[in-house]
Amino acid sequence: AQSVSQHNHHVILSEAASLELGCNYSYGGTVNLFWYVQYPGQHLQLLLKYFSGDPLVKGIKGFEAEFIKSKFSFNLRKPSVQWSDTAEYFCAVIRNSGNTPLVFGKGTRLSVIA
Amino acid sequence: GAVVSQHPSRVICKSGTSVKIECRSLDFQATTMFWYRQFPKQSLMLMATSNEGSKATYEQGVEKDKFLINHASLTLSTLTVTSAHPEDSSFYICSARLGVTKNTEAFFGQGTRLTVV
Repeated sequence: AQSVSQHNHHVILSEAASLELGCNYSYGGTVNLFWYVQYPGQHLQLLLKYFSGDPLVKGIKGFEAEFIKSKFSFNLRKPSVQWSDTAEYFCAVIRNSGNTPLVFGKGTRLSVIA
Repeated sequence: GAVVSQHPSRVICKSGTSVKIECRSLDFQATTMFWYRQFPKQSLMLMATSNEGSKATYEQGVEKDKFLINHASLTLSTLTVTSAHPEDSSFYICSARLGVTKNTEAFFGQGTRLTVV
């Protein structure tokens, strides 16, 4: 079965520190990849997505992610985090065939301290 | 971009009663919608796939008689939690993709926080 693994359950960083959140998926076929953010008390927002082409994807709020096909990975990065980046981050994968649902990772909680 | 609207955003009900949650695609037709459930501080777990004009497909462990799904039109899917119990309290989220072709992202409703007392 298709699965998505997020390695870090809770990450605590100081403001201006660099961020990298890991995401690996198990499906071997063609996939679309996503990162979503959920701020406290709010619904999911799309940060960025990868469908094809350049494996380095830039999203909103200074986030980027790199698709490494050989490693089945899609890690999220940000050079310098801010306190407002405190949120839950979810990696998600869609198998690129038919009208299939997103499969989510367990999420990583990011806490940014001043 | 495409919009998926969910209603209500919050509902409190008594144990034993039923609650209906609506999910609408506002500017596109969705032959398929997906229902997720999110427990506090956990990830979204797919409950079922709602197909317009046919029966929903439930994930393993999800009781189809408890979580009734109706997808009567191309823009509306409903989830009814029947005989709700406190353990059904959760955040329910619907989603729809723009189509069946490749490279289409999913859009999410705002979610419904259900509290059963």
